[in-house]
Amino acid sequence: DSGVTQTPKHLITATGQRVTLRCSPRSGDLSVYWYQQSLDQGLQFLIQYYNGEERAKGNILERFSAQQFPDLHSELNLSSLELGDSALYFCASSVVGYTDTQYFGPGTRLTVL
Amino acid sequence: TQLLEQSPQFLSIQEGENLTVYCNSSSVFSSLQWYRQEPGEGPVLLVTVVTGGEVKKLKRLTFQFGDARKDSSLHITAAQPGDTGLYLCGSQIQGAQKLVFGQGTRLTINP
Repeated sequence: DSGVTQTPKHLITATGQRVTLRCSPRSGDLSVYWYQQSLDQGLQFLIQYYNGEERAKGNILERFSAQQFPDLHSELNLSSLELGDSALYFCASSVVGYTDTQYFGPGTRLTVL
Repeated sequence: TQLLEQSPQFLSIQEGENLTVYCNSSSVFSSLQWYRQEPGEGPVLLVTVVTGGEVKKLKRLTFQFGDARKDSSLHITAAQPGDTGLYLCGSQIQGAQKLVFGQGTRLTINP
């Protein structure tokens, strides 16, 4: 158990819909990272938040957005969903920045039908 | 284009055999991390290597960092079914403010 929690574990929805994925970091960690993992693209960094502020952006689509709340939990919002958005979405947390060890949550498996 | 290339992509061997998987880049690594991911779970950090030429051992796993810090290998001795999983290398490429990952090596150890 990494100490990072993610909900829900599974999500099935239809194209065009919007979903929200939730992540609670390890106690004491200020940074949260979101990753997308698909069979053809591997594990891709989406975005990082540090203490409520966006710190770094990766390959995140404009249809996707995230935020980190004062209690440090984070949400990833995916809208206008397409079939190709079906993937595993992982949240990770670290004490401060990307050079610190990242601890991954168990992931949310999103299926878009 | 993947910044990190892992090989082989798939490997299936018998219990007791030895194996080596590789992680390569054209860029210099600030540091390199190896993770193992089991089905339905997130990646779990195995080791971080920082210094060129560094060798780290974790029980039957030996991790080596290339002298030029552009490549790394993971060697498993006497593989066991519990070693089955997806092995990922990840790195903070010099100048990039993020972790990048290879595609992974999917390892299956058959009893």
